[in-house]
Amino acid sequence: AQSVTQLGSHVSVSEGALVLLRCNYSSSVPPYLFWYVQYPNQGLQLLLKYTTGATLVKGINGFEAEFKKSETSFHLTKPSAHMSDAAEYFCASGRGGYQKVTFGTGTKLQVIP
Amino acid sequence: ETGVTQSPTHLIKTRGQQVTLRCSSQSGHNTVSWYQQALGQGPQFIFQYYREEENGRGNFPPRFSGLQFPNYSSELNVNALELDDSALYLCASSLIPSRQPGELFFGEGSRLTVL
Repeated sequence: AQSVTQLGSHVSVSEGALVLLRCNYSSSVPPYLFWYVQYPNQGLQLLLKYTTGATLVKGINGFEAEFKKSETSFHLTKPSAHMSDAAEYFCASGRGGYQKVTFGTGTKLQVIP
Repeated sequence: ETGVTQSPTHLIKTRGQQVTLRCSSQSGHNTVSWYQQALGQGPQFIFQYYREEENGRGNFPPRFSGLQFPNYSSELNVNALELDDSALYLCASSLIPSRQPGELFFGEGSRLTVL
């Protein structure tokens, strides 16, 4: 069974600093991988996804993530944090067809002015 | 393009009661998935409906049931409510087959409180 593990339930960064949110996946076959963002009292919004091809994927709002098979990782980064980035971020894995997506436990990002 | 809409947004029930949550999928989508998100947790897959039939189920008891209608809207029904059923229930629509595998479009959720 596929699963994802997010390291750190809370991350605090200063405005303008690098954002790094960690995610490792567990699967014998690389799954599709996603990062979703959830703002307070809202549903989830897709930030970016890896399916096949280029291992560095770019998403919305300046976020990007790199798929590293050797490390079974899919960490999310953003060079410079903005106050509006404060939210909860979920790493997720899935496969085509059936379309079930499995979510990690989430990382709350706090941006300090 | 109409997004995913859910109703009601908030509701309070007492233990033992039954609840029905509703979801209208995004225009052009034929698949609806339901997730339960307990406070401080990630969303947990309940089940998915495709072509009006259940197309996969997570680790939830039979008192969680659903329907999908010909217009692809969906309902989630929970019988014999328990305190632990208090959560945000998220509906997500998608398209099978899809060029964007696993990409889900979420509604804002229905927050259920069981007293």
